[in-house]
Parts: sequence; structure tokens; C-alpha cells
Amino acid sequence: AQRVTQPEKLLSVFKGAPVELKCNYSYSGSPELFWYVQYSRQRLQLLLRHISRESIKGFTADLNKGETSFHLKKPFAQEEDSAMYYCALRGSGGTYKYIFGTGTRLKVLA
Amino acid sequence: SQTIHQWPATLVQPVGSPLSLECTVEGTSNPNLYWYRQAAGRGLQLLFYSVGIGQISSEVPQNLSASRPQDRQFILSSKKLLLSDSGFYLCAWRGQGDTEAFFGQGTRLTVV
Repeated sequence: AQRVTQPEKLLSVFKGAPVELKCNYSYSGSPELFWYVQYSRQRLQLLLRHISRESIKGFTADLNKGETSFHLKKPFAQEEDSAMYYCALRGSGGTYKYIFGTGTRLKVLA
Repeated sequence: SQTIHQWPATLVQPVGSPLSLECTVEGTSNPNLYWYRQAAGRGLQLLFYSVGIGQISSEVPQNLSASRPQDRQFILSSKKLLLSDSGFYLCAWRGQGDTEAFFGQGTRLTVV
């Protein structure tokens, strides 16, 4: 079954500290993985996708097929990073569904 | 440019009343369309998706239904709301050839 697991509901870190939001997935093929972010009073929006292999707002995420993980990392957290983060997958082969995890709320403390 | 409109933003309805939430997309053709429910601690749950007019796939059994009467219109409905239908409903779309989904602002539904 397709599943995305985000084990942490809440993650609090101090400004300047490293951040790692965990995401593990279950999928029998080769999915596409995404991180979406929802800032306060804003709509859910794409942060980054694994196929782009890019860094957005200092965040990176590497797809580890062996561990079926797609953890989101940032070396130095900023207060404006405080938001709700969702990991998501979309299956391969024309699959149209996006499956989301339960989300992790990141709080960056001053 | 493409935009997605979802309304109303908030809605309070009594138990047993009908529901109709509307979502429209502009600036694209034949998008994939999605309805999600966002609940605290439960994340984003996919309710329905549609790959074309009149084509609806339901992901979970529930008190809700969806329809796509036009290419860029997606409607979430219920004949009789339950208290458990309360939540935050999000509409999303994906263009042909795109990898990411784009989300609307959402509707906060409170059933009383």
C-alpha cells in the first residue's frame, strides 16, 4: 500500500540550529517525492521535489531508496521557517494520486 | 497564468443539511483535480480525484460525493451533513505534464 509516514507532529528548534524533518514512504515502484509547506494564513505550496535535486530557502531533501526516506534538512533554521510541513508521494506510471503524510509542525524559537 | 478558486472560505452548516463546495481552475485545460480533507493529526486525506469530465475516483467511503460537470470545475457535495464532516477541505489541480499539485485556499466547514 502507498503510505507516507512523518513520525514527528511537532519539532521545536532554536534559531540557527540544524533542522531535519523525517519522512519515510512505502511504495512498490518508483514514486516521486515532494515536500509541501503551509505558512500561517497561506495556502499549501510546493517547497521542493526530489527530481529537481535543488535547494529552496536553504532546504534540501535527498531520496534514499534503500531506506525509503526523504528527509528534509536545513543547516541553520530561521524564524520564518516556522510552518507546517507535509511530505508527499506520487506514484509512477501515470498514477494521479498524491499521498500525504500527517505533517510536522516546525517551530523555530528565537 | 493558472489560478485556482475555492469557495466559500468558511461555512457553518447544521447537521442534516446539504453541502456544496465549488472549485474552479483557470488558465489550463484538462487538469487532474483533487479534493482533500485536512485534519489535525491526520494530515491531508485524499477524498476524490478526477482525470476528466464526469470521471471521479473515490478514495475513502464516506458521506461525501464529488462531481466534475465541466473541465475546470470540481464540486464536493453531501446530501446530509454529519458532525464528523467538519474539517478543512482543500481543492488541488495538476496540469498535464506537471509533476506538482497546486492547492486552493481551502474551506473551513463546521457542522453544528
